Order: sequence, then structure tokens, then C-alpha cells
Amino acid sequence: SAVISQKPSRDICQRGTSLTIQCQVDSQVTMMFWYRQQPGQSLTLIATANQGSEATYESGFVIDKFPISRPNLTFSTLTVSNMSPEDSSIYLCSATGGSSYEQYFGPGTRLTVT
Amino acid sequence: KQEVTQIPAALSVPEGENLVLNCSFTDSAIYNLQWFRQDPGKGLTSLLLIQSSQREQTSGRLNASLDKSSGRSTLYIAASQPGDSATYLCAASNDYKLSFGAGTTVTVRA
Repeated sequence: SAVISQKPSRDICQRGTSLTIQCQVDSQVTMMFWYRQQPGQSLTLIATANQGSEATYESGFVIDKFPISRPNLTFSTLTVSNMSPEDSSIYLCSATGGSSYEQYFGPGTRLTVT
Repeated sequence: KQEVTQIPAALSVPEGENLVLNCSFTDSAIYNLQWFRQDPGKGLTSLLLIQSSQREQTSGRLNASLDKSSGRSTLYIAASQPGDSATYLCAASNDYKLSFGAGTTVTVRA
């Protein structure tokens, strides 16, 4: 299994600013993903973080709003840009690898935009 | 597009009763199916993973079944305890990406 940490664990930000969330995995993994969980909702996939290349975004999510980096096999960042109150959510990083492709999740970053 | 549905949305049982949580999915071409537990304000803990070629998987008091042809999975929790109170999410994997259900919130009364 993989152990995933995220920083920060929570933040309160002002409208119009940006926040970068870091995700660190304790071992090399094949794939990393970013999910959003809006209040009272389930998880929605934002994008697949590709190592050394541009992320692959799901429908409804764009690079200008959610730029993602993955410089190596254990680390990724998600930036939430030009934030509005609608961006208030929990953002979760996940990773998978090995033959089973079981996904493991970080503890999440709780973002509140005022 | 994969659609995942979980029924019921909420469940309240007395301690000791067995729990049955249902999950259905629309696209049977899944790679695997995972069950997760989420405590309030926390991340996700992986409970069980069932590969598409498997029919069931067991871990302690937990047993999950998978019927790909009918697009269904069921999570059984035996002899429930108050510590089992949480939201349980199922997620179907297509192309290694997970599609989540809305979850079943379980309350086990002491």
C-alpha cells in the first residue's frame, strides 16, 4: 500500500487568490489523481496528473483554473486559481500502482473561500 | 460515462445487526471495484478491492461481492459495532479512473 500526505490540511482563502496543494507519496506510483468533494457530495475526478507532461482533465475542469504539476513519480501539486466561494471543497489526491491498481487517498485539503 | 448509484442513502441499525450496502454501476467494463470508508471531515480509507475477474473479497467482518453482468456490488458488514458508523463509498474503475457513488451513511446505535 501507499501512504499519501497532503499539505496544507486546511486553509481559508480570499476570493480572487490562488492556493497550491501538495501531495507526496511514500513510494513510486504509476498514476496520481486529483479529486474534489463539494459539501455534502461525493467525489468527482478533476484530472490525472501525468509525470513529465500535461495533466489530463475531466469534462468541466480546465487547466487555467486547476493547473497541475507532477515533476516525478512521488509528488504532485494542484493549484486552485482565482478562487470563488464555489471552490470551497475538500481536495483529495490519490495514487495507484502495482498489478491490482488499488487506489489510495490522502487525508484531503479542506478549502474555504470567503 | 460510468454512473454509480448507492442504496440506501442512509441506514441506522442497533449494534450487533448485520449491514447490507448496495452499489450499482452502468458500465460493466470495469477494471475493479473498491469500497471505501469516510469518517466526517476525513479522507478515504480503502476497505476492499474486487478485481473484475473476482466474485467476492473478504476482510475480517467485511465481505464484498461483485456481479459484473448485472452491474452490482454488495458490501456486507457482520455484527456491526458503533465504530462502524461512517459513510461508505463504492467506486468503479474504468481506465484506472474511479467513479464514485454518493455513499451510504451508516449509524450503529449502541
